[in-house]
Amino acid sequence: QVQLQESGPGLVKPSETLSLTCTVSGGSVNSRSHYWSWLRQPPGKGLKWIGHVYYSGNTNDNPSLKSRVTISIDTSKNQFSLQLRSVTAADTGVYFCARRTGDGYRTVFDLWGQGTMVTVSS
Amino acid sequence: DIQMIQSPSSLSASMGDRITITCQANEDISDCLNWYQQKAGKAPQPLIFDASNLETGVPSRFSGSGSGTDFSFTISGLQPEDIATYYCQQCAGYPYTFGQGTKVEIK
Repeated sequence: QVQLQESGPGLVKPSETLSLTCTVSGGSVNSRSHYWSWLRQPPGKGLKWIGHVYYSGNTNDNPSLKSRVTISIDTSKNQFSLQLRSVTAADTGVYFCARRTGDGYRTVFDLWGQGTMVTVSS
Repeated sequence: DIQMIQSPSSLSASMGDRITITCQANEDISDCLNWYQQKAGKAPQPLIFDASNLETGVPSRFSGSGSGTDFSFTISGLQPEDIATYYCQQCAGYPYTFGQGTKVEIK
C-alpha cells in the first residue's frame, strides 16, 4: 500500500531555512489524481495547511506564510519537498506530508505521513 | 481565508453516549467539508468527506451532515477507541482551513 515518510532535521536555527522531504513508497507521485501536501501542527494546537504540489510542478501555498514557502517535486526520486525560509520559534511543530485526493468530489487528505517534529531554536 | 468555527473545544461523555460536534463556516462552502480523527501522537485520519460520506472502513456509528455554512458530526454510541481530537476541514477554497478541534474524552 502507499506510504508517506517525512525526513529532515529536527532542529533548525532562527532565521535559517527548514527543509523537509517526503518519500512516497508503494505508489507514484507522478499521478494526475493527487496533490502532494504539507501541513503542520504547533505543540498542543490545531492543523494548518502549508501548501501542495502537483505532478506537473504547479503549486499552491498558504498566503499567511508570507511567501516563505517553496514546495517542489522530484518524480525521478518519488519525493516532494518543503522549504520554509527565515524561520522563527512560531514555526516549531510537527510537520506532516499528506496526499490530497479528488477534485470536486472527495477532496480530502486521505493518506498521511507519521509526522516529524521540528524545533526552531538556537 | 474561510474561517471554520468548531464547538465545543472539548467534551466528556460516557461509553455508549451519542455526541455531536458542530462546525460553522463564515461563508458558503456547499458540502466541501471533511472530518478527521487524530489520536494522541498520530497523524489525522479521514472519517467523513463531502459533509456526509463515510470513508471506506470507518464504522457506521460515525456520521456527518450539513451544507452551506453549518455542519455537524455525530458519534452514535461512543466507544473507548473513539478517544481522540476531531477536526473539520473545508475544501472549498485555498487556503484549506481547519476548525480548532474537539477533544473527546470518556467520563
